[in-house]
Amino acid sequence: EAQVTQNPRYLITVTGKKLTVTCSQNMNHEYMSWYRQDPGLGLRQIYYSMNVEVTDKGDVPEGYKVSRKEKRNFPLILESPSPNQTSLYFCASSLSVRANTEAFFGQGTRLTVV
Amino acid sequence: GENVEQHPSTLSVQEGDSAVIKCTYSDSASNYFPWYKQELGKGPQLIIDIRSNVGEKKDQRIAVTLNKTAKHFSLHITETQPEDSAVYFCAASFTNLFFGTGTRLTVIP
Repeated sequence: EAQVTQNPRYLITVTGKKLTVTCSQNMNHEYMSWYRQDPGLGLRQIYYSMNVEVTDKGDVPEGYKVSRKEKRNFPLILESPSPNQTSLYFCASSLSVRANTEAFFGQGTRLTVV
Repeated sequence: GENVEQHPSTLSVQEGDSAVIKCTYSDSASNYFPWYKQELGKGPQLIIDIRSNVGEKKDQRIAVTLNKTAKHFSLHITETQPEDSAVYFCAASFTNLFFGTGTRLTVIP
């Protein structure tokens, strides 16, 4: 089944404790992206990647890191999480490097930083 | 970068009525305009999309219109049903995908 898999689905952590949210897609997609969803703000892009070893900042990259060492995986790293990073996070992938084909989303990761 | 505005933020309609959601975008280079539906506890899913060389596209009860001159596009849902209740996002793309702030649609049985 074609899908984007994120883990974990739920995470509660403390301020400053490094964490990684994993994202994997099995569709051989070129483009992958991370979004955070907050009430009233919609989906804001954190980072995106158009190919292996190529990553770029989105609209809200501060406090986040990503890597794209393999085509299928695109982990999101929070080196020192803070309460303002409490949010619902989505990973997405798309066949086209220009993001002008259907984007497939994971189920989401609800992160709480206390 | 691209700026996508979406209205209204909430919309309630009676079952069987039509619903319209409107979006505007700022980057005239954008050429791909998808609409996503997000049900509770799930990730967004594509329901319909339109490219800049087309003015209107229809798929059963849903349709999208695009006015490139005015830089706005709209989603139309006819004969709404309770299962249409969800959050809807518009988006615009040239090389990257930018989303609107979402519309929570409630269909009242």
